Amino acid sequence: SQQGEEDPQALSIQEGENATMNCSYKTSINNLQWYRQNSGRGLVHLILIRSNEREKHSGRLRVTLDTSKKSSSLLITASRAADTASYFCATVETSGSRLTFGEGTQLTVNP
Amino acid sequence: EPEVTQTPSHQVTQMGQEVILRCVPISNHLYFYWYRQILGQKVEFLVSFYNNEISEKSEIFDDQFSVERPDGSNFTLKIRSTKLEDSAMYFCASERGGAQETQYFGPGTRLLVL
Repeated sequence: SQQGEEDPQALSIQEGENATMNCSYKTSINNLQWYRQNSGRGLVHLILIRSNEREKHSGRLRVTLDTSKKSSSLLITASRAADTASYFCATVETSGSRLTFGEGTQLTVNP
Repeated sequence: EPEVTQTPSHQVTQMGQEVILRCVPISNHLYFYWYRQILGQKVEFLVSFYNNEISEKSEIFDDQFSVERPDGSNFTLKIRSTKLEDSAMYFCASERGGAQETQYFGPGTRLLVL
C-alpha cells in the first residue's frame, strides 16, 4: 500500500495566495516530516510534527496532523515565486526510523 | 550551520563497474541513511546505519550494495556492479538520534550508468 500520498499532484497559484497541500498515510507513525525539493536538487527539511501534536507553525508554514484520519496538511501563506518547488511528506513509522516518502506536490507560484 | 555533504555531485559510469558514493554526515549525528530517487519518481529508502552496523534495509538494498563508515567522518555507499537501473540521485541523510528526530539530507549524487 502507498504511504504518504500527496494531493494535489500539481498546484499553480498566484503570488500572494495561500497554497495547501495534503498528505495521507496508512500506518501508525512516530512523526511526519515535510520536505521541499527544487528541481533536480537536494531535499530541504521544512517541518516535523510528532504523532502527539496536532498543529505546528514555522514562519509562513503551518502543518496540521490528524492521526484519526491519517492525514496531514501543509499550508504556505502569502506565497512567493521562490516557493516554487516540489513538496513531499514523509512518515516515520512506529516500528522503525526510515522515512517513507509520498509522490509529492509540484507547486508553481506565478509572479 | 552544519550540513551533510556528498561527493561527487555527478558520476557517470559504465554498466558493471563499481562506484563508491561518499557522504560526510553532521558531526554529532549518530544515525545515517541512504535514499535514492529515480528521475521523476519518489524518494526511496535504501538503508539505515547505526553503531557501525546496518539497522534496517529495504528490498532494493541487495547484495550489490554495501555501506561502510571507514573512519569517524565518512559514510559510503558502494554499488559493486552497476546496472542501468541504478541510475538515480542518491541522497545521504543523518539524524542526531532516535525516530523522533529530523533527518537532514545532503545535496545528492547524480549517478548515470551507461
